[in-house]
Amino acid sequence: LAKTTQPISMDSYEGQEVNITCSHNNIATNDYITWYQQFPSQGPRFIIQGYKTKVTNEVASLFIPADRKSSTLSLPRVSLSDTAVYYCLVGPSGGSYIPTFGRGTSLIVHP
Amino acid sequence: EAGVTQFPSHSVIEKGQTVTLRCDPISGHDNLYWYRRVMGKEIKFLLHFVKESKQDESGMPNNRFLAERTGGTYSTLKVQPAELEDSGVYFCASSQMTSGGADTQYFGPGTRLTVL
Repeated sequence: LAKTTQPISMDSYEGQEVNITCSHNNIATNDYITWYQQFPSQGPRFIIQGYKTKVTNEVASLFIPADRKSSTLSLPRVSLSDTAVYYCLVGPSGGSYIPTFGRGTSLIVHP
Repeated sequence: EAGVTQFPSHSVIEKGQTVTLRCDPISGHDNLYWYRRVMGKEIKFLLHFVKESKQDESGMPNNRFLAERTGGTYSTLKVQPAELEDSGVYFCASSQMTSGGADTQYFGPGTRLTVL
């Protein structure tokens, strides 16, 4: 499985756009990139998934360059409630796989 | 649609006792996973069911842990006898079988186990 590297922590202020970049240099051809969000005392929650270029949903956008060796999760206009740990996971398509959760990126949004 | 539920939310037991954790996956999800986060550590995979069959149990720490999923619906994870190092938060997740795209797992709120 591809190893991922993310910042350990980030700080932001309400209303700002936050971009969290994940490196996955040895991503395989059939790997997808998935981001999860976890609040304290809760289980991880799926945010967004993509394979290449750009994916956008009501929560976030995911930018994936052509070489797919990195990806950037973009959270527009964050609020205090976006304070959480964000995990970048890389895994194959077609059936199930075992995601490896690293330490994630701890995002703190300040008023 | 109801999400993944886990019971109990918190359990405090003494070393040597037995505890059984329960997970109810999202209806129709064939995949069921158990994970554990020990204090200060990362979330670690324990076991994966596909319906009632154990697909991968490589993450189970030792034979004091027994997971079952009779009938392919809910699952239980029993720890017997519990040790101090078993303390942590146990997460359950479920997903549908997919033919395309990576597996999207939906996690429960977790059961916090404290062994004294």
